[in-house]
Amino acid sequence: DQQVKQNSPSLSVQEGRISILNCDYTNSMFDYFLWYKKYPAEGPTFLISISSIKDKNEDGRFTVFLNKSAKHLSLHIVPSQPGDSAVYFCAASGRGGGSNYKLTFGKGTLLTVNP
Amino acid sequence: DVKVTQSSRYLVKRTGEKVFLECVQDMDHENMFWYRQDPGLGLRLIYFSYDVKMKEKGDIPEGYSVSREKKERFSLILESASTNQTSMYLCASSSPGGGYGYTFGSGTRLTVV
Repeated sequence: DQQVKQNSPSLSVQEGRISILNCDYTNSMFDYFLWYKKYPAEGPTFLISISSIKDKNEDGRFTVFLNKSAKHLSLHIVPSQPGDSAVYFCAASGRGGGSNYKLTFGKGTLLTVNP
Repeated sequence: DVKVTQSSRYLVKRTGEKVFLECVQDMDHENMFWYRQDPGLGLRLIYFSYDVKMKEKGDIPEGYSVSREKKERFSLILESASTNQTSMYLCASSSPGGGYGYTFGSGTRLTVV
């Protein structure tokens, strides 16, 4: 079963507007959440993360919000730029050692920012 | 910066061949991972290792094996390549803290014909 879900395969926004990418999870043992960005023919790169003890983390144009009760997180990009066009993966990990360090990824959302 | 290097960007192999994908990281990370990325399926974990000579199966280990003889190197082996193993393969490494995320390599696009 899919423990991390990104229900929107794609999203298209105008340059300068807000992009909101959503992610839901089912495993209550997840306590750290990350967003990765991937361009074609490249490996994913880390974008921003949030711990379960917080509900918001901000880094420049990127903000991640976490709603633990709803098991939902979102990535806001404001303002969106054409260079933000990429696939965005949501990921989650549990606490503890060994295999709990592995990340579980969603299927990704393709963001297209139109000039 | 952590660098994760995958030995090949593009590979074309024949059905039934044994295929080795190599990954090397230069930051003394304990954890290393192999994923494959397919359209509509996202990133799926094949195998991972959190110490030398240690390995654990991920979500889709069938048809694959791994080797970690040295801390910096994690190899993915396709024992007998099949066309359904045509994919983008991504290697990653991370520190033991877990929550600090992964650093990925650039990927290997493998085509099995």
